Amino acid sequence: GAVVSQHPSRVICKSGTSVKIECRSLDFQATTMFWYRQFPKQSLMLMATSNEGSKATYEQGVEKDKFLINHASLTLSTLTVTSAHPEDSSFYICSASRPRLAIGNEQFFGPGTRLTVL
Amino acid sequence: GIQVEQSPPDLILQEGANSTLRCNFSDSVNNLQWFHQNPWGQLINLFYIPSGTKQNGRLSATTVATERYSLLYISSSQTTDSGVYFCAVYQGGSEKLVFGKGTKLTVNP
Repeated sequence: GAVVSQHPSRVICKSGTSVKIECRSLDFQATTMFWYRQFPKQSLMLMATSNEGSKATYEQGVEKDKFLINHASLTLSTLTVTSAHPEDSSFYICSASRPRLAIGNEQFFGPGTRLTVL
Repeated sequence: GIQVEQSPPDLILQEGANSTLRCNFSDSVNNLQWFHQNPWGQLINLFYIPSGTKQNGRLSATTVATERYSLLYISSSQTTDSGVYFCAVYQGGSEKLVFGKGTKLTVNP
């Protein structure tokens, strides 16, 4: 159990276009999902926390109008990179939080989406 | 905020060797996870270990929360163990994970 899918796995787009990335928890319901960005040879950087049915909470320095997040159901969150530019090229990873009884929550990660903006 | 430091940053082993990866954190934490990021970028959950010792095959982990560190042991390493190993912690009532910078492991045949 605890499988998270992400689609697409790779996308190449022209500067100025928008790209939507989907994150799905396949076998559990996730009230909270997270979006990360990872630059080459670096650690994961949290971009935003997404809660089902409410507005996302963005980390400091992340442009909420550039990175639109929608968490429409307990199994689906989407990240839309609007008016993408070459500096938005990166590896985007989502995670979904699954509760562990009496212990807390455990995050499970999608396989990531590699975005290249030309 | 809390700082998570991992050591060593890079580690090169011959197949069959054993290794220990360390994760130090600067404040008390509720929980801790170890991940393996494979060469394709997928993060794989290895351990969810707020305290104590757990074992899964050739891998084991120990967290000593009172001393603010965790160790990941890899025995009889294989080439498929190559990748980056991340330690990440949950602090307070937050659901957010704070990641270390990772240890890049290369296992040569």
